[in-house]
Formats: sequence, C-alpha cells, structure tokens
Amino acid sequence: EPEVTQTPSHQVTQMGQEVILRCVPISNHLYFYWYRQILGQKVEFLVSFYNNEISEKSEIFDDQFSVERPDGSNFTLKIRSTKLEDSAMYFCASSGGGAGANVLTFGAGSRLTVL
Amino acid sequence: AQSVTQPDIHITVSEGASLELRCNYSYGATPYLFWYVQSPGQGLQLLLKYFSGDTLVQGIKGFEAEFKRSQSSFNLRKPSVHWSDAAEYFCAVVPSSGSARQLTFGSGTQLTVLP
Repeated sequence: EPEVTQTPSHQVTQMGQEVILRCVPISNHLYFYWYRQILGQKVEFLVSFYNNEISEKSEIFDDQFSVERPDGSNFTLKIRSTKLEDSAMYFCASSGGGAGANVLTFGAGSRLTVL
Repeated sequence: AQSVTQPDIHITVSEGASLELRCNYSYGATPYLFWYVQSPGQGLQLLLKYFSGDTLVQGIKGFEAEFKRSQSSFNLRKPSVHWSDAAEYFCAVVPSSGSARQLTFGSGTQLTVLP
C-alpha cells in the first residue's frame, strides 16, 4: 500500500538553529500538508500546499516556517530559527484529487526536540 | 467556531469486551468525519470515514462508526477488542463545502486493553 515517508524520525537541535523536515508524499497525490502535535496536545494544522503554492495556513505558520516542493517528489518544512516551543511531532500528509481530496494519508512523523 | 470533542481522555477495557469511543462536533453543516488511530511510534492511520449516505460505516480492523445528525456525534465502536487495539484514537472533521481542507482533530482518547 502506498505510504507517506518522513525523515528524520527524530531530530534534536539547539534553539536558533534551522531545521528541515522532509517528506515524500504518495506519488499521484496532489495536495500536501503539514500538521504538528505538541506533546499532550491536539494534532494541529499548519499548512496545505497545492499546485506549487500554499493554499491555506494556520496562525501557527508564521514567517519562521516555510514549505517547498523542490523536485516533484519531496515536500519539505523548514523552520528558520527554532524556538523551544517548536518541539513537537510533525506529521506530513497528502491526499489525491476529486473525492479523495479530503482523505489524508499521514506519515509516521518527525519528532523535533529543541534544546 | 468549529470544534471536535472527545470527552474521554482515557478508556480501559478488557480484551474481548466491547468498545465505544465518543466524538461530538460543532459545525454549521454536516462535515466529513473521520477516525484515525495512532499506535506508539506510528503515524495516523485512517480507520474509517463518513461523507454521506448510510450512517453506519465500516472500517478496517473490525471498527465501525455511526453518524447521528441529531446528536452531532460520530462514535466509534468495536464489538470485541483485541490487545493490539491499544492505541490513541482521534476523531477528525473537515468542512464538506468550500475549499478548506483543514482537518480539525479532537484531543484523542487513549485506549488501554487489559489481558
């Protein structure tokens, strides 16, 4: 069964450092997403991406965050200067077109720890 | 504002017992409804979804859910729980109209299965 893969599975970084989280969505999917889950809290929407541009973003997704689809297969989330409160599990997801647009397939997540 | 409520933070059942996990939503119109499961170290796996039609939907791993419009609920059930069902379960919704594809998650219910 097709799956969404994420790397790294766990990253530890110092506050102020840049972090890039990588995702390979399902190959024929059209919509791409990042969500995050701070320990003990809800899974929260960050951003959606379609047709090579951001289609929606939440208030969490400020100027420190950016997304990119550099080569047609990878989908990356960059955090420019990490803060302690960025420590969370970050989930990538993708969905297809038409009726499948609302059915998201999630990756296993990338756990980010900011020290 | 739209919201999803899972009133039970933690549920413990014995293996072989029946299970019902509650989910209530608050939306202007009936949204699309989902249940996801997250096992330790794993991503969010889709159990089942409801878009329209038959209000009793069947999912994977023997789970089912019933949509009750009058109660704004979408409760997840399983007649006989297996030890491997121990995980965290998330109800999620997305608006059925408009362009928004932001899945909104409930806070999750942690299921413990006793031998």
